[in-house]
Amino acid sequence: AQSVAQPEDQVNVAEGNPLTVKCTYSVSGNPYLFWYVQYPNRGLQFLLKYITGDNLVKGSYGFEAEFNKSQTSFHLKKPSALVSDSALYFCAVRVFYGGATNKLIFGTGTLLAVQP
Amino acid sequence: DGGITQSPKYLFRKEGQNVTLSCEQNLNHDAMYWYRQDPGQGLRLIYYSQIVNDFQKGDIAEGYSVSREKKESFPLTVTSAQKNPTAFYLCASSFLGGGTDTQYFGPGTRLTVL
Repeated sequence: AQSVAQPEDQVNVAEGNPLTVKCTYSVSGNPYLFWYVQYPNRGLQFLLKYITGDNLVKGSYGFEAEFNKSQTSFHLKKPSALVSDSALYFCAVRVFYGGATNKLIFGTGTLLAVQP
Repeated sequence: DGGITQSPKYLFRKEGQNVTLSCEQNLNHDAMYWYRQDPGQGLRLIYYSQIVNDFQKGDIAEGYSVSREKKESFPLTVTSAQKNPTAFYLCASSFLGGGTDTQYFGPGTRLTVL
């Protein structure tokens, strides 16, 4: 079955320290992977995606993610966390159902808490 | 959130009532989607539409209905058959095909059944 796992419900990090939010996936074929961020009572904001090419993908707000095919992982990273980064983060993978059908499977989300 | 609007922001429903959630986009996107978000469960796909006058069921379509009469609009009706409708509903849209089909989300509608 195709799936996405975010093994940590919450990640705590001090402001200024590097952060990592973990994501692993299980899909058939080459994965298209996404990270989104959600602030309270808001919609999801797109951060970055991996389709092909360089395994290190750079996105919005200083975030980046590293695609690792052998470990089937796509961890989100940032060198120096800000208090304003505190939010709910979702990893997602695109699955194909024929033609151009574009469906996303989401992980359950990881709450990032950055302490000042 | 830019380019995708959802209304209302908050909606209260009495048991047995049907309610309709609005979703409009001005991004000229081909496809539109409805997701339901519950705490600890991530997002689950309700319905999606790739072209006008066509739509497909997602993973949790029971108790919901949609229409796609215009490219810009994809309203969702939560019917009285939906047993547990209290949730946060998110609409998204995207182009189709290639690397341009990132889904972009609206601000959401929080539905509460009284």
